[in-house]
Amino acid sequence: SQTIHQWPATLVQPVGSPLSLECTVEGTSNPNLYWYRQAAGRGLQLLFYSIGIDQISSEVPQNLSASRPQDRQFILSSKKLLLSDSGFYLCAWISAGGYGYTFGSGTRLTVV
Amino acid sequence: QKEVEQNSGPLSVPEGAIASLNCTYSDRGSQSFFWYRQYSGKSPELIMFIYSNGDKEDGRFTAQLNKASQYVSLLIRDSQPSDSATYLCAAASGSARQLTFGSGTQLTVLP
Repeated sequence: SQTIHQWPATLVQPVGSPLSLECTVEGTSNPNLYWYRQAAGRGLQLLFYSIGIDQISSEVPQNLSASRPQDRQFILSSKKLLLSDSGFYLCAWISAGGYGYTFGSGTRLTVV
Repeated sequence: QKEVEQNSGPLSVPEGAIASLNCTYSDRGSQSFFWYRQYSGKSPELIMFIYSNGDKEDGRFTAQLNKASQYVSLLIRDSQPSDSATYLCAAASGSARQLTFGSGTQLTVLP
């Protein structure tokens, strides 16, 4: 069966520190992968999506970046965090021909 | 700018009643539509999707789509306290089937 793993679950980081969040999918090949952010009490904002290895599209210009070094691995990074980067970060995937995303369990990031 | 609009609520209904959640979208190129349920502090989970005009039923849930009016709705029959959550409407478009989400409607089912 297909599963998605996302870690860590919670993270508290100081302003200006780097960030690396990782997401992996099991049980499928060549999934579309997505990173979303949800600010407190808000909807989901699409940050990045990927249709294949090293194929990354950015939806919102900001100090975040994404990479997909392997077919089922998607990484969200920042060199220097801002207070406004706080939020609930969600990784999601969809298979070819599938309908609707499956989300990971999310990472709650607090920048202090 | 693709937008999906939802009434933020909160919406309260008594147990056993029908809850009606509504959503409009701006992008006429949107191909399919989704309803997700999100409990507090948790990630969203898919309830239903619909891509053809009309109704689609799955258990206590019915999704309705009207592409001419750019309107999507979700009906929850025989509402239960466990249905209390935020419901997110989303529209898919683009080659990578990117989802644009509404801000969600908070539903409370009162025992």
